[in-house]
Amino acid sequence: GENVEQHPSTLSVQEGDSAVIKCTYSDSASNYFPWYKQELGKRPQLIIDIRSNVGEKKDQRIAVTLNKTAKHFSLHITETQPEDSAVYFCAGGEGSQGNLTFGKGTKLSVKP
Amino acid sequence: DGGITQSPKYLFRKEGQNVTLSCEQNLNHDAMYWYRQDPGQGLRLIYYSQIVNDFQKGDIAEGYSVSREKKESFPLTVTSAQKNPTAFYLCASSIFGGVDSYSNQPQHFGDGTRLSIL
Repeated sequence: GENVEQHPSTLSVQEGDSAVIKCTYSDSASNYFPWYKQELGKRPQLIIDIRSNVGEKKDQRIAVTLNKTAKHFSLHITETQPEDSAVYFCAGGEGSQGNLTFGKGTKLSVKP
Repeated sequence: DGGITQSPKYLFRKEGQNVTLSCEQNLNHDAMYWYRQDPGQGLRLIYYSQIVNDFQKGDIAEGYSVSREKKESFPLTVTSAQKNPTAFYLCASSIFGGVDSYSNQPQHFGDGTRLSIL
């Protein structure tokens, strides 16, 4: 089955700096890669997703890049703000069953 | 998302007891999922269902059971066979895109149920 590795497990940045979180996946059949943001005690919220027919996708301060050959994808947050502080999860899915395999999460702290 | 309701928010289980977690959605989604979240472990799939009256085991199905009698509802029972049930349980739903290479659709989550042992 699919295995998704996520790094780093914790990340601390100063407000205004950029943050990058990286994930690798094992199943070359995976073709859908969402990112979720989870604040303490709350539900995960989808922030951006990318499919394997696209190499990059951007939404305001958030971007995701995908390298299918190397089987890794990354989340980029620019101009970080304290409200970006949360746990971020990447996931991969290969489509035939609709389910996802999640990474273990990255706790991002943005210091004012 | 307001369209997925999990209850109760907190639940306590006694030794040898089965407990049932409720998940209801009004998004008209075909697929529903149950995840378990432990600290530092991310989300692990327990069961999923793509259509009424059908469901599949996920990665950690042992000690759990589900039913899918209605499209809107996907209850999870934590049985006494689950020896370490303390966790945060999340239900999700999505449109089922069909069995093809681009069928994954965004999953939307409920607010979760926190289960503890008494």
